[in-house]
Amino acid sequence: AQSVTQPDIHITVSEGASLELRCNYSYGATPYLFWYVQSPGQGLQLLLKYFSGDTLVQGIKGFEAEFKRSQSSFNLRKPSVHWSDAAEYFCAVEANAGKSTFGDGTTLTVKP
Amino acid sequence: KAGVTQTPRYLIKTRGQQVTLSCSPISGHRSVSWYQQTPGQGLQFLFEYFSETQRNKGNFPGRFSGRQFSNSRSEMNVSTLELGDSALYLCASRPLAEDYEQYFGPGTRLTVT
Repeated sequence: AQSVTQPDIHITVSEGASLELRCNYSYGATPYLFWYVQSPGQGLQLLLKYFSGDTLVQGIKGFEAEFKRSQSSFNLRKPSVHWSDAAEYFCAVEANAGKSTFGDGTTLTVKP
Repeated sequence: KAGVTQTPRYLIKTRGQQVTLSCSPISGHRSVSWYQQTPGQGLQFLFEYFSETQRNKGNFPGRFSGRQFSNSRSEMNVSTLELGDSALYLCASRPLAEDYEQYFGPGTRLTVT
């Protein structure tokens, strides 16, 4: 069965600083990988996805993620964080269409 | 195009009661998945429907059930509510069963007292 680990429960960065959120997955084959963002009381918004091909994927809001098969990782990055990026971020893997497995999430706090 | 809508947005129920939550997918989407989100267990998959058939099911007791109608709208039902059922219930839709990109609704916040 697939699993997702987000090692950092909470991360605080200063506005304008760079950001990297870690995600490690466990799955036998090439997974379909996703990053979502959730603001308080809201649903999940898809930031970016990796299905195949180029291992560096670009998403919305200036986010990007790099798939590293050798490390079973799919880390999310942003060069310069804005105060509006404060939210909870979830990494997910999907082996069967329609059934996602999520990490426990990383809460991002942005200091002014 | 309108997004995924879920009704109601907030709900308060008493232990032992039952509840029905509704999800209207994006127009043209035929697959609907349901997830439960709690602080302790995180996001957990409940079930997925496509063309009125349940295709996948998570590890939840039989008190949790769902269905999908011919217009792709879906409902989930929880019977004999327990305090631990308090959660945000999220619905997600996708165009076809084999599509891996899904779109989430805002969720229904269920509180069981």
